[in-house]
Amino acid sequence: AQTVTQSQPEMSVQEAETVTLSCTYDTSENNYYLFWYKQPPSRQMILVIRQEAYKQQNATENRFSVNFQKAAKSFSLKISDSQLGDTAMYFCAFMRGREYGNKLVFGAGTILRVKS
Amino acid sequence: NAGVTQTPKFQVLKTGQSMTLQCAQDMNHEYMSWYRQDPGMGLRLIHYSVGAGITDQGEVPNGYNVSRSTTEDFPLRLLSAAPSQTSVYFCASSETGATNEKLFFGSGTQLSVL
Repeated sequence: AQTVTQSQPEMSVQEAETVTLSCTYDTSENNYYLFWYKQPPSRQMILVIRQEAYKQQNATENRFSVNFQKAAKSFSLKISDSQLGDTAMYFCAFMRGREYGNKLVFGAGTILRVKS
Repeated sequence: NAGVTQTPKFQVLKTGQSMTLQCAQDMNHEYMSWYRQDPGMGLRLIHYSVGAGITDQGEVPNGYNVSRSTTEDFPLRLLSAAPSQTSVYFCASSETGATNEKLFFGSGTQLSVL
């Protein structure tokens, strides 16, 4: 079974600074997908970024980027120029793929607080 | 385009009561799933469906039933609610296309069982 571990229950960062959230996972699969989801106080689940395991290039989305280390099974999220609106719970998630029903396995989450 | 709609948003039940959490999507997605969110545990898969008439269990299925009679709807039934089922429930849907595994989530149902 796949597992996802987020070792940082809470983090804080000053506005405009950079922060990195950690995520490790365990799987015997070679092809899979990794995601970071943001959950603000509104409770809505918002996709931040996704990475396909067969792609060596790290995914980027504006201020958000990942450091994907397949051999180490590590998938960290870097947020640059942090903004107050980035304050939220962040979940790392793993998916084996569509042939398995697009099922997600989530980590426990990291609460990020951006301070002004 | 409404996306994934969950009702109700909040619900309080007494132990032993039954209820159905509704989930509907208007994107013609084949895949639908139910997750529960508990503090310190992230989201865990309860049941999922890969198409009308096809359902299967996830990680934490006990105490829940599902059915998928149409592509649009995927209700979650609690037959006899227990305090351990106090949680936030999310429904999600996704396409089966070759290049898109993105899940669309509903806004969640906060359930309290007293």
